[in-house]
Amino acid sequence: EDKVVQSPLSLVVHEGDTVTLNCSYEVTNFRSLLWYKQEKKAPTFLFMLTSSGIEKKSGRLSSILDKKELFSILNITATQTGDSAIYLCAFDTSGTYKYIFGTGTRLKVLA
Amino acid sequence: GAVVSQHPSWVICKSGTSVKIECRSLDFQATTMFWYRQFPKQSLMLMATSNEGSKATYEQGVEKDKFLINHASLTLSTLTVTSAHPEDSSFYICSASLAGAGETQYFGPGTRLLVL
Repeated sequence: EDKVVQSPLSLVVHEGDTVTLNCSYEVTNFRSLLWYKQEKKAPTFLFMLTSSGIEKKSGRLSSILDKKELFSILNITATQTGDSAIYLCAFDTSGTYKYIFGTGTRLKVLA
Repeated sequence: GAVVSQHPSWVICKSGTSVKIECRSLDFQATTMFWYRQFPKQSLMLMATSNEGSKATYEQGVEKDKFLINHASLTLSTLTVTSAHPEDSSFYICSASLAGAGETQYFGPGTRLLVL
């Protein structure tokens, strides 16, 4: 059975800290890994990763995928209170094109 | 580009009534739309995959007679929660793929349903 595990479940940091969020997976037909940020409404797209070892970067956020060890990390540097959200990773499984979501990491950044 | 809307944003209804939620792709055609539900402090759970012009494919454990999905056009899919009960109260989110199955999904803003 396909499985996605995110850690930690919850995290509280102060502004300016750097955080690393983990997503590990067991997926039979891996196509791509996606990271989403969810605040009060629906998730907003952050990154799509398909190849191992290639870092994707957007401002203070970056992400990388390790297909050998079956995990991905999402880094946020110099955190701000606006980064407070739930961060979800998901898998796009080839053949079905359905997304399987992890449980999410709830990040709270204190001023 | 790639904007998905949902209507309504919030709905409160009495137990036993049916509720229809619309999902529209505003600036692109979506061959495939997906419906998710999310309970508080939980992740998104896929309910069904909706393809234009054909019957929806439901995930295991999702009652197709309870959650009716219609994908009548390339820009509109509807989810009807029939005879809603308090346990159906949840956050319902749709997503749409730009060029059909296999492309990045773009999410609507979600609909919060509260059944009294």
